[in-house]
Amino acid sequence: DQQVKQNSPSLSVQEGRISILNCDYTNSMFDYFLWYKKYPAEGPTFLISISSIKDKNEDGRFTVFLNKSAKHLSLHIVPSQPGDSAVYFCAASFNNNDMRFGAGTRLTVKP
Amino acid sequence: DTEVTQTPKHLVMGMTNKKSLKCEQHMGHRAMYWYKQKAKKPPELMFVYSYEKLSINESVPSRFSPECPNSSLLNLHLHALQPEDSALYLCASSQALAGAGYNEQFFGPGTRLTVL
Repeated sequence: DQQVKQNSPSLSVQEGRISILNCDYTNSMFDYFLWYKKYPAEGPTFLISISSIKDKNEDGRFTVFLNKSAKHLSLHIVPSQPGDSAVYFCAASFNNNDMRFGAGTRLTVKP
Repeated sequence: DTEVTQTPKHLVMGMTNKKSLKCEQHMGHRAMYWYKQKAKKPPELMFVYSYEKLSINESVPSRFSPECPNSSLLNLHLHALQPEDSALYLCASSQALAGAGYNEQFFGPGTRLTVL
């Protein structure tokens, strides 16, 4: 039962443009959402998070938007840089129980 | 020190071998986790330790045996594994298991395990 879904396995954008990575979830009890970035041969690195009481959280070039009614969140990267090329995992948790990860989206930013 | 370290980086073992994976953090985190990640799949939680006590076991087969000797160390003992257990094994830690500080888990680089 995949409660967190990332339906796009890959995304390719031009350097300087916006990257938008999407994530959908099915469990309305989730109250905390996170994005992790993973380079090859490394563990996932925490990127940005959002609590269910907010609809937007911004950190530099990264912004996460949460639409609770649609059970959807997205990660915006502006402007995209070649160093952002990695696999991005969306994750969700509720009541501080174990996190559920999406399948990941491979982002490629072309120079 | 904001690092989670894992050894070894790579491990090849036969189905009759006994081996151990090691994870270490010196951030004062009191919760530590083992995840298993197969190729092109998301990480799947295996075990959670909180204050050196096993808190969550996600129905993992007994051929995987976790151990938390102290607050900085987490081991995963492997015995009689199957080829389908080949995967990347990730360790993570967080400040706490509940409340503020739970969710931002710091991951190690993983151990790439191959079972022949």
